[in-house]
Amino acid sequence: GALVYQYPRRTICKSGTSMRMECQAVGFQATSVAWYRQSPQKTFELIALSTVNSAIKYEQNFTQEKFPISHPNLSFSSMTVLNAYLEDRGLYLCGAQQGRGTEVFFGKGTRLTVV
Amino acid sequence: QQKVQQSPESLTVSEGAMASLNCTFSDGTSDNFRWYRQHSGKGLEVLVSIFSDGEKEEGRFTAHLNRASLHVSLHIREPQPSDSAVYLCAIASSSFSKLVFGQGTSLSVVP
Repeated sequence: GALVYQYPRRTICKSGTSMRMECQAVGFQATSVAWYRQSPQKTFELIALSTVNSAIKYEQNFTQEKFPISHPNLSFSSMTVLNAYLEDRGLYLCGAQQGRGTEVFFGKGTRLTVV
Repeated sequence: QQKVQQSPESLTVSEGAMASLNCTFSDGTSDNFRWYRQHSGKGLEVLVSIFSDGEKEEGRFTAHLNRASLHVSLHIREPQPSDSAVYLCAIASSSFSKLVFGQGTSLSVVP
């Protein structure tokens, strides 16, 4: 079956430091990977959408300088939160999809706590 | 830009009674509608994906889509306390996995 492994599941970082999270697609080709954040008491909002062989598109309020993403092949993507502060805490999810109209497979999320 | 609104914000139903959740959206050209649920402190669990008008059933979960009315609903048959969670409606607004999420409906199923 198709799965997305996301790690770490939880992480705590000091204010001003950076942390990296990764997603591994198994059983399908992750042509596109979207990264989402769920801040406390809020819904999920899209950070950026990465499609292999295309430029990564960031949503308003999110930048490559803050959330650099790597999507080097059809099974792996990573995102780093640079200079994390309190407002960056929350649950980060990656969602991978093989093609238009196909199912989106989500990782279980990385919960970031900033202290 | 696609906007997604869910109602009600919270819902309490008795075990075994039907639970109905609603989602309205602003852009009827989307072709990709999903219902997820999130148990407290956990990630997302996909319940139903629906791509055309009508009804789609996955076990006890049935989604109804009416793009002309800009409305998609989720009905949960014979809900159990373990179904207590936040239910999220998500709609794809572009070719790939760019999903726009609603704010969620918090469902409580009481014995």
